[in-house]
Order: sequence, then structure tokens, then C-alpha cells
Amino acid sequence: SQQGEEDPQALSIQEGENATMNCSYKTSINNLQWYRQNSGRGLVHLILIRSNEREKHSGRLRVTLDTSKKSSSLLITASRAADTASYFCATTGGFKTIFGAGTRLFVKA
Amino acid sequence: EAQVTQNPRYLITVTGKKLTVTCSQNMNHEYMSWYRQDPGLGLRQIYYSMNVEVTDKGDVPEGYKVSRKEKRNFPLILESPSPNQTSLYFCATYDGNTIYFGEGSWLTVV
Repeated sequence: SQQGEEDPQALSIQEGENATMNCSYKTSINNLQWYRQNSGRGLVHLILIRSNEREKHSGRLRVTLDTSKKSSSLLITASRAADTASYFCATTGGFKTIFGAGTRLFVKA
Repeated sequence: EAQVTQNPRYLITVTGKKLTVTCSQNMNHEYMSWYRQDPGLGLRQIYYSMNVEVTDKGDVPEGYKVSRKEKRNFPLILESPSPNQTSLYFCATYDGNTIYFGEGSWLTVV
């Protein structure tokens, strides 16, 4: 069963704009991670936020976690054409990690 | 350099012809897993292994086998492939915080 669900499924923005992607999940988690995937390639880890954290930053990335709503958001500020990719959230509980279907981000130059 | 290496990267095979996708890691991670990725479905876990000789089913194990005879290798076996196993497959390791993915294996079963 799929736990993480991203919203929107696809997002198209202009270079320089911010991109926000959301993720919802269903059960309790140890941590939540965001990954990026360029077309047909392996996923690359972006950022991890633990269940006892509410916000985390890494460069142009900002992740928030609301465990009461079972949701997370990924904000990419000042987007670049090179940010064009699919973004997945993944939740980990115990030894199982479950991925959502992803958000496809297209940044127009 | 930390690596997860899987082979082959691309394969077209026929229904029923057994095949193995190899996976090797150089990070000494105990946890390894296999995922398949299909359009609109994200990544689904096929099997995972928490250590040598310890394997367990993920969400979509039907039609697949795995083995973990040594820490660094975790091959995925399709005993009798069928067209619905056409997919992009990823091997991955996990260090408790981060998942490290291989580059993927595109498999087409005709």
C-alpha cells in the first residue's frame, strides 16, 4: 500500500519562483525524507526530517513536518531550470520505507 | 566513492526466461532492498534484507526471489518473468537515515 502521497502531481513554474510540494502520509513515522529523481535515474536523497522536528533547511530547500496532520512540505526557493525533476517523499517506520507517487516539477528558463 | 551498482542497466527478455539482476554495494550497509517503479505508482518495495541470510517480503514480492549470501550483494531473481514485470528496478541500501539508490535497471519482458 502506498503511504506517502504528493500534491500536486505536476508543477510548472518560471525560473526564480518558489516551488512548494506537499506530502501526506497515514501512519506513525520515525522520519520523513525527500528525494529527487532526474528522468529515469536513481533517486538522490535531499533532506531528512525526524518525527520530533518541525522544520529543517538545507541550502534552497526548506522542509516542514506536521505530525498532527501527517503532512510535510518541501519548498524550493529561487528555482532554477536544473531543479526540473521528480520529487518524492518517503516515510520510514521501523525498517519499512514507503514512497509516494511523486511530484513532477518543471522549471522554465 | 559510495556506490550501489546494479546490472544489467537495460534488458529485454522473453516471457518465462529466468533472469537475475545483480546488486552490489561498497558501503558495508546491513540493509538492502529492491524497488520497482511504475508510472503513477511511485516506488514499491519488492523485497528487503536486514542482514546476511535475512530477507523479507515488501509490498509486491510476487514473481520475485532474492538472496543475501554476503553483505555486499543482493541479487533479484525473476524465475519466470511475465510482461507485467516490465518496469524500472532499483536496488538500494539504507544506513538508518538515508537510502542510497543504484542507477536503475530497465527491464522489458515481451
